[in-house]
Amino acid sequence: QKEVEQDPGPLSVPEGAIVSLNCTYSNSAFQYFMWYRQYSRKGPELLMYTYSSGNKEDGRFTAQVDKSSKYISLFIRDSQPSDSATYLCAMRSSGSARQLTFGSGTQLTVLP
Amino acid sequence: DGGITQSPKYLFRKEGQNVTLSCEQNLNHDAMYWYRQDPGQGLRLIYYSQIVNDFQKGDIAEGYSVSREKKESFPLTVTSAQKNPTAFYLCASSTHGTGATLNTEAFFGQGTRLTVV
Repeated sequence: QKEVEQDPGPLSVPEGAIVSLNCTYSNSAFQYFMWYRQYSRKGPELLMYTYSSGNKEDGRFTAQVDKSSKYISLFIRDSQPSDSATYLCAMRSSGSARQLTFGSGTQLTVLP
Repeated sequence: DGGITQSPKYLFRKEGQNVTLSCEQNLNHDAMYWYRQDPGQGLRLIYYSQIVNDFQKGDIAEGYSVSREKKESFPLTVTSAQKNPTAFYLCASSTHGTGATLNTEAFFGQGTRLTVV
């Protein structure tokens, strides 16, 4: 069993829809949770970052972490065609080394 | 502009050859990482380095080697011992230490696509 599980999709939604992307994990030592967005043939870019449990909002994006359930989510409101990309969840434990454990990524297409 | 530069963007390797992928950063980050990305498998850690002249194996280090002679540079060599090297290779950097903000987490380059011919 993988440490981080993510539904690969593909997920296709109409423009303006609310998108929900999710990951589950098994390692209770994970403390820092991230969402990266990756356009085709490009490097991932850090989109959202959350420490421990709770919510964080940034514009149209909301990240949620539920450590008791080992479950994290990314919500995208008013989705746009420019949001079409692969979304990767990533997480790490505390400590000085910051190597990340990634989910397999969910491919999202927002249709105009 | 600060960032990470990976070169080349595309690389072709013949069977039995060693090839070296370049990664340079001007972010003054202490730590650097190499990940491999295969379709449907996300990113997997090959090697990482927290400080000059020191590096550690990640989850899939077999068939790869690295060096960290300068803070700015972390080249990856894919050796002939790596039996399935065709993949998208990503270099990243970050600060290290216990403090954490959005700006201290891993920042990625644009990747090198390696193909065995």
